[in-house]
Amino acid sequence: GAGVSQSPSNKVTEKGKDVELRCDPISGHTALYWYRQSLGQGLEFLIYFQGNSAPDKSGLPSDRFSAERTGGSVSTLTIQRTQQEDSAVYLCASSFTTSNYEQYFGPGTRLTVT
Amino acid sequence: AQKITQTQPGMFVQEKEAVTLDCTYDTSDPSYGLFWYKQPSSGEMIFLIYQGSYDQQNATEGRYSLNFQKARKSANLVISASQLGDSAMYFCAMRTTGFQKLVFGTGTRLLVSP
Repeated sequence: GAGVSQSPSNKVTEKGKDVELRCDPISGHTALYWYRQSLGQGLEFLIYFQGNSAPDKSGLPSDRFSAERTGGSVSTLTIQRTQQEDSAVYLCASSFTTSNYEQYFGPGTRLTVT
Repeated sequence: AQKITQTQPGMFVQEKEAVTLDCTYDTSDPSYGLFWYKQPSSGEMIFLIYQGSYDQQNATEGRYSLNFQKARKSANLVISASQLGDSAMYFCAMRTTGFQKLVFGTGTRLLVSP
């Protein structure tokens, strides 16, 4: 079946502009996660959604970052007033539930802020 | 706090040899899961193997096995009969019942030579 898909694959934006990154999880997966991988860094958790519960936003680095998940499926990560330090690969993952099932990752969106 | 430590920034192995990638973890939660992911140069995170904290036996998946030593809080990945296609970054990660996000180590870059 289809895996996790993300769009766009690459995004170049000017400092100060807003960007939206999209994630389409695997069908039937109730949990959805966003992570960020900066150059030379490990993966950093941003936010997680489980069903209709309130999302866990504890990893969002600032109030410029927000995310929503519509209809329990597609998710959009929005970064307002982008800064150069926001340049990174943004990875989305999904899993069946929040029990100990593996998370399946999408190909990522490479964001470059100039 | 949850923490994953990977002390080997880079490892080299010859084709057909076995290699062990080290991972130690720290958590006070008695219930947790340990994961290994492979990230080739294409950037996608590929799930390799999972070990639950209550599993009695070490996990195996094909050429991958996890050497789980609970008392030492280590979860080393063993790759048998290395192949050129195994060259990639390898990340160890943990998820606990209290924190559904994955916490990642900094990764180990494996290079397999002919």
